[in-house]
Amino acid sequence: QVQLQQWGAGLLKPSETLSLTCVVYGGSFSDHYWSWIRQPPGKGLEWIGEINHSGSTKYSPSLNSRVTISVDTSKNQFSLKLSSVTAADTAVYYCARLVNWQWLSHWGPGTLVTVSS
Amino acid sequence: SSELTQDPAVSVALGQTVRITCQGDSLRNYYATWFQQKAGQAPVLVIYGQNNRPSGIPDRFSGSSSGNTASLTITGAQAEDEADYYCNSRDRSDYHMVFGGGTKLT
Repeated sequence: QVQLQQWGAGLLKPSETLSLTCVVYGGSFSDHYWSWIRQPPGKGLEWIGEINHSGSTKYSPSLNSRVTISVDTSKNQFSLKLSSVTAADTAVYYCARLVNWQWLSHWGPGTLVTVSS
Repeated sequence: SSELTQDPAVSVALGQTVRITCQGDSLRNYYATWFQQKAGQAPVLVIYGQNNRPSGIPDRFSGSSSGNTASLTITGAQAEDEADYYCNSRDRSDYHMVFGGGTKLT
């Protein structure tokens, strides 16, 4: 049974750095890619980026300059950092497992991050 | 990068069949993946690959694809199927992931 749990600060001020971590229970961590996705309130899903166990990353072009995704295979964890946040970054952030490089098979419960002065 | 286009809203009567579509150039190279999202919950994978359902997804959900259009069909819609549905695939040029805008099923 694969489960993803995530945590991080839920309230940030403009210009701060968003930081979230996701831990994976069950399954083989090294066999898959791991993704971050976000969803602004009342809007659709937006892919942020992904990473594999060796640290190879791919980021959304629209967020590339501000995003860093990292991995800690010893803890079955991966993390998201998004710098210089603004109100437009307010969203529920999800971590997810990517199977066969294509299918987001399991999702974390989501973390609401609000950016407000 | 390419985009995926979905109708914003679709309605269906209880027990009837409904098709939700997703259009985009990337679908000529990659199968669409479909997610169901109910209010306040994380998305759930319902269809992946050519037409595969994860364990626990009812067989009334099916997927198909033709050219640049992918479809999610619910045969015999139930009240619990009311949700937002999103399609997703890889972009065929830069391999980033893209999502459709979502379809609200009533």
